[in-house]
Amino acid sequence: ELKVEQNPLFLSMQEGKNYTIYCNYSTTSDRLYWYRQDPGKSLESLFVLLSNGAVKQEGRLMASLDTKARLSTLHITAAVHDLSATYFCAVDYNNNDMRFGAGTRLTVKP
Amino acid sequence: DVKVTQSSRYLVKRTGEKVFLECVQDMDHENMFWYRQDPGLGLRLIYFSYDVKMKEKGDIPEGYSVSREKKERFSLILESASTNQTSMYLCASTPIQGAGELFFGEGSRLTVL
Repeated sequence: ELKVEQNPLFLSMQEGKNYTIYCNYSTTSDRLYWYRQDPGKSLESLFVLLSNGAVKQEGRLMASLDTKARLSTLHITAAVHDLSATYFCAVDYNNNDMRFGAGTRLTVKP
Repeated sequence: DVKVTQSSRYLVKRTGEKVFLECVQDMDHENMFWYRQDPGLGLRLIYFSYDVKMKEKGDIPEGYSVSREKKERFSLILESASTNQTSMYLCASTPIQGAGELFFGEGSRLTVL
């Protein structure tokens, strides 16, 4: 059974600081996704990582995938308040069977 | 832009009632999904469908059924709602030929009293 573990589950950080969210998964997969969810809203796609070594960047967020380690990271650079949200990683297990992590609730404080 | 529309944003039902949650997508996606989201548990897959009249169970199908009579519409049915089905329900779709990312609706928050 595929398990997807994110850590930390809660993250409070100061504006301007850097931090990394980790996503570990238990079964081989080379398709991993990051989503963002704002309070009261649905999920929107941030990154799609489709191969080992894939790295994607958008603004202050950078995601990477190491399929051998079964690990993806979401790195936050110089955090700003607008990044406050809940971030989910999801692993595509056996085509169409997407498993989600529990989510990381990020709060960026001034 | 892909649009996934869920018919009800907020519902309050009583235990034992039959509940229908409707989801419509306008981008001709083959695959559609129903998830429930609970704090600390992330999203859990209830059912998915990869074609009209086809359905597959996800992780937590008990107490739920689904219907896909048309490609654009995927309905989640709670035959007899119970309080432990109080949750946020999210519908999503994705095309077969694509990167696999899901496109989500706004969610339906169901409270069962």
